Amino acid sequence: DGGITQSPKYLFRKEGQNVTLSCEQNLNHDAMYWYRQDPGQGLRLIYYSQIVNDFQKGDIAEGYSVSREKKESFPLTVTSAQKNPTAFYLCASTPETGFKLYGYTFGSGTRLTVV
Amino acid sequence: EDQVTQSPEALRLQEGESSSLNCSYTVSGLRGLFWYRQDPGKGPEFLFTLYSAGEEKEKERLKATLTKKESFLHITAPKPEDSATYLCAVREANNTDKLIFGTGTRLQVFP
Repeated sequence: DGGITQSPKYLFRKEGQNVTLSCEQNLNHDAMYWYRQDPGQGLRLIYYSQIVNDFQKGDIAEGYSVSREKKESFPLTVTSAQKNPTAFYLCASTPETGFKLYGYTFGSGTRLTVV
Repeated sequence: EDQVTQSPEALRLQEGESSSLNCSYTVSGLRGLFWYRQDPGKGPEFLFTLYSAGEEKEKERLKATLTKKESFLHITAPKPEDSATYLCAVREANNTDKLIFGTGTRLQVFP
């Protein structure tokens, strides 16, 4: 079945540590996105990528980094510069960019906790 | 500033008790309003996209409607399996790669 796979489901980070969240899709979608979800707040956009080897910052990119070396993969690194990383992270994709509108397909999420 | 506001924050219904969830928005040119369902610990699941005022879409017990300033998600005769958080998001006309999400309405349906 086609879909988006996020791993791991749960991740624990120690102070000063960088961690990488995986996002893989087999939907042949062009655009991919990373959102952060906190209790009582709407999803907030971290980074997005419309094509391979290109990506743009979202609203809360500080302390995060991404890469898009393959169409299927869009990993997110949470660096030590992100002071409040505990949250639920969601990866999403959509088949068209520009002016055509499609519903996003989301992964099942990664819950990151600082220990 | 572009905003999406959902109300109520939480809603408790008896099975079979119909109700509506509200999503009001202020954006500079709407290019689509999206409804999603999210179960605890999972990613949002796409429900509907609405493009223009007056448009309506239905799926089982859910019906979404759109006006120029808000959208409603009507739930008719809900069942316990409809319990979830319902998220609303809008896409701006001048920023087509970004969705602005509301904080959601947490719905609980009791038997």
